[in-house]
Amino acid sequence: GDQVEQSPSALSLHEGTGSALRCNFTTTMRAVQWFRKNSRGSLINLFYLASGTKENGRLKSAFDSKERYSTLHIRDAQLEDSGTYFCAAEAPSGSWQLIFGSGTQLTVMP
Amino acid sequence: EAAVTQSPRNKVAVTGGKVTLSCNQTNNHNNMYWYRQDTGHGLRLIHYSYGAGSTEKGDIPDGYKASRPSQENFSLILELATPSQTSVYFCASGEGTGGARAEQFFGPGTRLTVL
Repeated sequence: GDQVEQSPSALSLHEGTGSALRCNFTTTMRAVQWFRKNSRGSLINLFYLASGTKENGRLKSAFDSKERYSTLHIRDAQLEDSGTYFCAAEAPSGSWQLIFGSGTQLTVMP
Repeated sequence: EAAVTQSPRNKVAVTGGKVTLSCNQTNNHNNMYWYRQDTGHGLRLIHYSYGAGSTEKGDIPDGYKASRPSQENFSLILELATPSQTSVYFCASGEGTGGARAEQFFGPGTRLTVL
C-alpha cells in the first residue's frame, strides 16, 4: 500500500486565512521534504527536515519520525501561494529515494 | 543554489521510437534520480545513480534504461516508447552520502507525449 498519505487532496482558502496540510507515513522515515509545484510545473523546495520544526515566512513545517507524520502550515495565504504542494519522505533504505504523497491542490481566492 | 537542467523540455515521440531524456547538474552531487509524474499522482522513482558509471532500478524501471556517463550527466532512455510512457519526467540530484543531508533538487521537468 501507499507509504505516504497526503491530505487533503484539495484545499480552498481566502486570502489572509491559513490552514495545514498533513502527510502520514506507514513506516519510519528518515526525513521529509515539502515542495510547491508552480504554474510553470517546476518543483520548488520549501523545506527539508530530519526532525523538529522549521519556519520560513508564512510557512511552517514539522516532522515527527516516531509518530510518522509531517505537517505544513500556511498562514496569511496569498494568491501566489496557489499551486500543488507535495510532501516526500526519505525512505529508510540506503538509496535516499523520495516517496511522494499524491499532492494537495491549493487554491487561494480573493 | 542547486542547478539541475533537463532537455528537451517537451518531446513528442511515436510508438516504437527511441527517446533519450537528458539531465545535467552543476552541484557536484553524487546521487541523481529520474522520476515520472502522472496527473493526480505524486512522483514515482524510475532509476537512480550513486555516481558516474552507476545505475540502479527504482520502483518502476520496466521499459526504461538509464546511463550515468559522468558526475554531471544522467540520461533516461526509452528504447521502444509506448503511449503509457506519456508523462512528465523529473530529474533530481542530491548528496546522499553517509549521514549527510540528502535534500534533493529538481529540474524543471520534461513533458513527453508518445503517440
